Amino acid sequence: GDSVTQMEGPVTLSEEAFLTINCTYTATGYPSLFWYVQYPGEGLQLLLKATKADDKGSNKGFEATYRKETTSFHLEKGSVQVSDSAVYFCALLAGGTSYGKLTFGQGTILTVHP
Amino acid sequence: DGGITQSPKYLFRKEGQNVTLSCEQNLNHDAMYWYRQDPGQGLRLIYYSQIVNDFQKGDIAEGYSVSREKKESFPLTVTSAQKNPTAFYLCASSIDEGLAGFGEQFFGPGTRLTVL
Repeated sequence: GDSVTQMEGPVTLSEEAFLTINCTYTATGYPSLFWYVQYPGEGLQLLLKATKADDKGSNKGFEATYRKETTSFHLEKGSVQVSDSAVYFCALLAGGTSYGKLTFGQGTILTVHP
Repeated sequence: DGGITQSPKYLFRKEGQNVTLSCEQNLNHDAMYWYRQDPGQGLRLIYYSQIVNDFQKGDIAEGYSVSREKKESFPLTVTSAQKNPTAFYLCASSIDEGLAGFGEQFFGPGTRLTVL
């Protein structure tokens, strides 16, 4: 079945540091890939997405490139801020699925210190 | 503004009680979903519904029930049969894009359920 594996956290960085959160997936067909962010006590917000190989999703300084050859969708940001502290989830939406089931990674907690 | 609302934000339940969590969306989305989130884990799918008056079990449906009488509403009942109901519950919705399948999911703010 489909699965998503994220790098284990938590991740702790100083402000303005470079961020990478690794995400790899296993899926049949041609999935769409997503990064969601969850701030404390809130629901998930879509951060960025990519729907086909070599697509780059970007938003708020975050980027991720859909790499089919390595089945990866790593999240990067060049300079993190304290306000980026949150839980980040990588997710997969199987291509052609009949009901849009998302498969989530376990989440990575990011803490950014001033 | 369009979006998904969930109520209540916090809910306390005594053992043996059934409780119902509300989820409403005004996005005109076709599909709706319920997830459970436990600390340190990803989200697990409880139930989903593609159209009105139809719903399907997800990965962890035991002890839960749903209804979909209106397109905009998808309430979740946590029954007394659910052995460990304390968790954060998230509702989501997505649009049917036809041949392309369903689009990305939009999430509500969640309901935190605690069993006393």
